[in-house]
Amino acid sequence: AQSVTQLGSHVSVSEGALVLLRCNYSSSVPPYLFWYVQYPNQGLQLLLKYTSAATLVKGINGFEAEFKKSETSFHLTKPSAHMSDAAEYFCAVSGGSEKLVFGKGTKLTVNP
Amino acid sequence: GAVVSQHPSRVICKSGTSVKIECRSLDFQATTMFWYRQFPKKSLMLMATSNEGSKATYEQGVEKDKFLINHASLTLSTLTVTSAHPEDSSFYICSARGPPPGEAFFGQGTRLTVV
Repeated sequence: AQSVTQLGSHVSVSEGALVLLRCNYSSSVPPYLFWYVQYPNQGLQLLLKYTSAATLVKGINGFEAEFKKSETSFHLTKPSAHMSDAAEYFCAVSGGSEKLVFGKGTKLTVNP
Repeated sequence: GAVVSQHPSRVICKSGTSVKIECRSLDFQATTMFWYRQFPKKSLMLMATSNEGSKATYEQGVEKDKFLINHASLTLSTLTVTSAHPEDSSFYICSARGPPPGEAFFGQGTRLTVV
């Protein structure tokens, strides 16, 4: 079985500051990990995914995440926040089946 | 990337009526689609897995007779909320995924309001 814990339901940063959104996972099999972004009243858009290749994954819009097996973590980072990054972010895990298990989400606020 | 189209994006219906939501994969064949429900400020709750040509698999606690799912073709799945009540008001999202470890592509979501 798989599960995801996103630490911090709400993260607030200043424009230009580092963004760090935390995700820890649990999986009984080698996991596939994903980060999605959701803007208000819209579906989810994939930012990046880890599928057992490189542990440092680069995604769209300047985001990246590092898979750390020893820490069971897949934290999302961006060096410099932009106002347009304000959204809800979801971490998700899959154990190889088609089902995705989502975390509860982290709302990112970017202050000018 | 692949496109999943969900329609309608917003619907208001009267209590007791039924509402159908469509989910289409526009440029790929989706043998499996997923239906999620998202409550305000909450994560996505998987309601059911829709398999083309067979019955949907519902998650525990989801009423099969209330949330009817049909996956008639490789590009279309529908969710019908029957005898809707105000507590069914929510944001419903569909997704389609290729073979693992492929990413899931999401529809735009449907905001259902039952009055």
